[in-house]
Amino acid sequence: KNEVEQSPQNLTAQEGEFITINCSYSVGISALHWLQQHPGGGIVSLFMLSSGKKKHGRLIATINIQEKHSSLHITASHPRDSAVYICAVRSNDYKLSFGAGTTVTVRA
Amino acid sequence: KAGVTQTPRYLIKTRGQQVTLSCSPISGHRSVSWYQQTPGQGLQFLFEYFSETQRNKGNFPGRFSGRQFSNSRSEMNVSTLELGDSALYLCASSFTSGILNEQFFGPGTRLTVL
Repeated sequence: KNEVEQSPQNLTAQEGEFITINCSYSVGISALHWLQQHPGGGIVSLFMLSSGKKKHGRLIATINIQEKHSSLHITASHPRDSAVYICAVRSNDYKLSFGAGTTVTVRA
Repeated sequence: KAGVTQTPRYLIKTRGQQVTLSCSPISGHRSVSWYQQTPGQGLQFLFEYFSETQRNKGNFPGRFSGRQFSNSRSEMNVSTLELGDSALYLCASSFTSGILNEQFFGPGTRLTVL
């Protein structure tokens, strides 16, 4: 069983819709990261979280350490948000594990 | 400021050969990390170098090695290539040490092993 589970695997939304991607993990962590990968491979680091909530533009990331769960929300989604979103956790022994990714498609 | 550059962008090798991939970090960045991405395994961390020293290492066999030069440029080497080594190899750089901490990713090198 993967230490990091993401859901859903694929998601299609209409432009303007609110999108939520979930990430659950099974180990104690020192930090959780959300990454965005566009077609062609380029990866952008969106957030690093160890507690609470962070917001950047239309993106919001939250983490609940007790429940070992994080969510990435995209408000007012736009076609340019179409990408693969990857959750990664750094465990307390500094091991890094990645989720399988969520493919988001936003239709105009 | 130029981004992270990786060379070559595409590479085709045959089983048993060895390959060297290069990564030039953003100017001023001293940390370089390497990742492997495959359709089956997803993203996996290979290793991180900071100021010419390997700081962290993922769970990969000894065929995978790397090094960092005094100008922070990094190379990774894979010896005795196997079909399963076909992947996108990504390099990322940051000013301070720390996997994924404020890292900027390069475009990747697509390696195909035949």
